[in-house]
Amino acid sequence: GAVVSQHPSRVICKSGTSVKIECRSLDFQATTMFWYRQFPKKSLMLMATSNEGSKATYEQGVEKDKFLINHASLTLSTLTVTSAHPEDSSFYICSARGGEARGEQYFGPGTRLTVT
Amino acid sequence: SQQGEEDPQALSIQEGENATMNCSYKTSINNLQWYRQNSGRGLVHLILIRSNEREKHSGRLRVTLDTSKKSSSLLITASRAADTASYFCATNPKIIFGKGTRLHILP
Repeated sequence: GAVVSQHPSRVICKSGTSVKIECRSLDFQATTMFWYRQFPKKSLMLMATSNEGSKATYEQGVEKDKFLINHASLTLSTLTVTSAHPEDSSFYICSARGGEARGEQYFGPGTRLTVT
Repeated sequence: SQQGEEDPQALSIQEGENATMNCSYKTSINNLQWYRQNSGRGLVHLILIRSNEREKHSGRLRVTLDTSKKSSSLLITASRAADTASYFCATNPKIIFGKGTRLHILP
């Protein structure tokens, strides 16, 4: 199957700082990328959907000014957690889908964010 | 609200036995996908079944889909220790996951 990478895999930052997480589709063009966060032993929560070249669509309750998403190219989307707080500590996962809306989504390995 | 809900929440079986997990969803779908997640890791795509399909096989995996009941099942045959993981179902076009089934294979 297709490969999606995330970088970094693990990051520790101090409260008040910003952290950028990259999501790349390595062998296909991802017209749509999704960002999720997951709490321990919980389901994934969809945060936002981004289409290349347009603004991301955020789910209800997700602060767009706090979680900045940029989908600048067909192979790269970034999630920036601004002014991070300890409650932002979580496992963040991206997924990517090619041009077919009915097609498969491929998930990245996730990024473990710890805010101290 | 979550689109998919897995059942049971947890399942422990002996190695070699078959494991069956179920998923129910709420609205109409284009397809349904099953994923596996090992502890603290990302999701691995297992199988996709389209809304016009009723059954699909992939190796030791068998997935069924009943759109009239808005439900799907995942069967893992001849389970192995390496199958220990959490299993999630997700639906398109907007993939929303349930809480997953935590499968534990006993040696």
